[in-house]
Amino acid sequence: GAGVSQSPSNKVTEKGKDVELRCDPISGHTALYWYRQSLGQGLEFLIYFQGNSAPDKSGLPSDRFSAERTGGSVSTLTIQRTQQEDSAVYLCASSLGAGSYEQYFGPGTRLTVT
Amino acid sequence: AQKVTQAQTEISVVEKEDVTLDCVYETRDTTYYLFWYKQPPSGELVFLIRRNSFDEQNEISGRYSWNFQKSTSSFNFTITASQVVDSAVYFCALYNAGNMLTFGGGTRLMVKP
Repeated sequence: GAGVSQSPSNKVTEKGKDVELRCDPISGHTALYWYRQSLGQGLEFLIYFQGNSAPDKSGLPSDRFSAERTGGSVSTLTIQRTQQEDSAVYLCASSLGAGSYEQYFGPGTRLTVT
Repeated sequence: AQKVTQAQTEISVVEKEDVTLDCVYETRDTTYYLFWYKQPPSGELVFLIRRNSFDEQNEISGRYSWNFQKSTSSFNFTITASQVVDSAVYFCALYNAGNMLTFGGGTRLMVKP
């Protein structure tokens, strides 16, 4: 079956602009996760959804970051007023449910802020 | 707080050599899960294995094997008879009640022909 998909695959934006990154999880997976991978910070957890609710937003690095999930499926990560330090690969993962299930990752969105 | 340490940042071997990637973790939870993921040059993280904290049995899958030792808080990964296609970055990760994966820094494995 289809895996996790993310769009766009690459995004170059000017500092100060807003960007939206999209994640389409595996069908039937109720849990969805966003991570960020950057050279200096490794792989960092950003936010997790169970269904449409996000019980844990502790990983979001600033209030410029927000995420939503609608219909228990597609999720959007929005970064407002982008900064150069936001440049990274943003990875989305989904799993059957919250808990110990293995998380399956998408190919990521490479964000470059110039 | 939990932490995962992969002390080896880069390993280079010649094809057919065996190689072990080390992973040490810290957690206060008694129930937790450990994972290994592979990230080939294409960039997508590929799930390899999950172990729970109550099961210390070693696992073998083809050329891959994993050694979980709670006494030393380690979950090491061995590739036997390495191949060029094994070249990738390998991540060890810990999952607990926080509902997120905590990743180690990764080990870049280069297998030369």
